[in-house]
Amino acid sequence: DAKTTQPPSMDCAEGRAANLPCNHSTISGNEYVYWYRQIHSQGPQYIIHGLKNNETNEMASLIITEDRKSSTLILPHATLRDTAVYYCIVRVVGWGKFQFGAGTQVVVTP
Amino acid sequence: DSGVTQTPKHLITATGQRVTLRCSPRSGDLSVYWYQQSLDQGLQFLIHYYNGEERAKGNILERFSAQQFPDLHSELNLSSLELGDSALYFCASSVGTSVADEQFFGPGTRLTVL
Repeated sequence: DAKTTQPPSMDCAEGRAANLPCNHSTISGNEYVYWYRQIHSQGPQYIIHGLKNNETNEMASLIITEDRKSSTLILPHATLRDTAVYYCIVRVVGWGKFQFGAGTQVVVTP
Repeated sequence: DSGVTQTPKHLITATGQRVTLRCSPRSGDLSVYWYQQSLDQGLQFLIHYYNGEERAKGNILERFSAQQFPDLHSELNLSSLELGDSALYFCASSVGTSVADEQFFGPGTRLTVL
């Protein structure tokens, strides 16, 4: 699986959009970009995933650059409950494991 | 609630002992994955089962073993426990391996080895 690079931490004000970057410059054509988050020792929670098109669901939006070498997860209106470690993962469809990196610790402040 | 259940929630045991962690996947999911999360290693993939068969192995020690039963629940067996085995153990499930399916994680079992 391709490796990802994320900033170790970032702060966000409550009610504002949080934009979380992820670099995956060695991504292959058949690798998807997944985002998960983990709130203080709970099980990781699925957020969103995509291949090359931008994706949106009720939790977030995923913007993938045209060359697919980077992506941004957007939490449109951050709340205090969004404070968590956010993991960006790339993996080949059909391959079981997720390779988690260190992630980005996001702290949402009032 | 992800629909994945794990028991027990907490387990405290001594070095040299053996424990079994149990996971029940979401209804309809055929794949089960085990992960270990320790303070210094982050989330590490251990092993993957699909419909009762082992599909992939990660950083799983020889002292550890797993199986998936016909009813699709899975057990992770940890033996000859060492202090360094203290960690959170997560189970995840997904529909299968042939689609871009996401994994749903259980709440974890916190193992403390004294």
